[in-house]
Amino acid sequence: EAGVAQSPRYKIIEKRQSVAFWCNPISGHATLYWYQQILGQGPKLLIQFQNNGVVDDSQLPKDRFSAERLKGVDSTLKIQPAKLEDSAVYLCASSLRAVSYEQYFGPGTRLTVT
Amino acid sequence: GNSVTQMEGPVTLSEEAFLTINCTYTATGYPSLFWYVQYPGEGLQLLLKATKADDKGSNKGFEATYRKETTSFHLEKGSVQVSDSAVYFCALPTQGGSEKLVFGKGTKLTVNP
Repeated sequence: EAGVAQSPRYKIIEKRQSVAFWCNPISGHATLYWYQQILGQGPKLLIQFQNNGVVDDSQLPKDRFSAERLKGVDSTLKIQPAKLEDSAVYLCASSLRAVSYEQYFGPGTRLTVT
Repeated sequence: GNSVTQMEGPVTLSEEAFLTINCTYTATGYPSLFWYVQYPGEGLQLLLKATKADDKGSNKGFEATYRKETTSFHLEKGSVQVSDSAVYFCALPTQGGSEKLVFGKGTKLTVNP
């Protein structure tokens, strides 16, 4: 079974530029999560989708971050404009059911904002 | 909401040494508890879990016991291998009934041959 795919794996941008990350969850997984992992910290949930609807985006900085999950499969996370403090690893995870702690994580995208 | 405090690293051990990584939590009620592992260059993987007090989760030689008296969920392994080198995260739901997880800061383990 293929795992969660993410691209790109690495991205370097200047502050005030925009960037987008892509995630393809495990086939059949209805729930998709985006996490931000700052160096030396645990992952922090940014947004959770159930199919193509948003379940929780309470920790998403909506003035600069946006996310969508068209057709309930792939998802993109965008940052516009980026700030220095956005430098982090962005992790995508998926799970089979809405209430499942067994989340399967992708390898992440390491973003560096200079 | 619930929170977790995890032993700070890094931890460096020799192969076959005994490992303990401490994790304590603050929670309302008795939530499920988890350990995730992140190998170099990979995403997090669920290592083990315990769903109620006194439960012992185990996987790949790792164990952790849900201790409600001490609000702890320490990760242990009797004999570590070089391949166990990774970052380990303790986690629990943010609040009762939620599937959102709150993670500890992670403990980096390096095992030398």
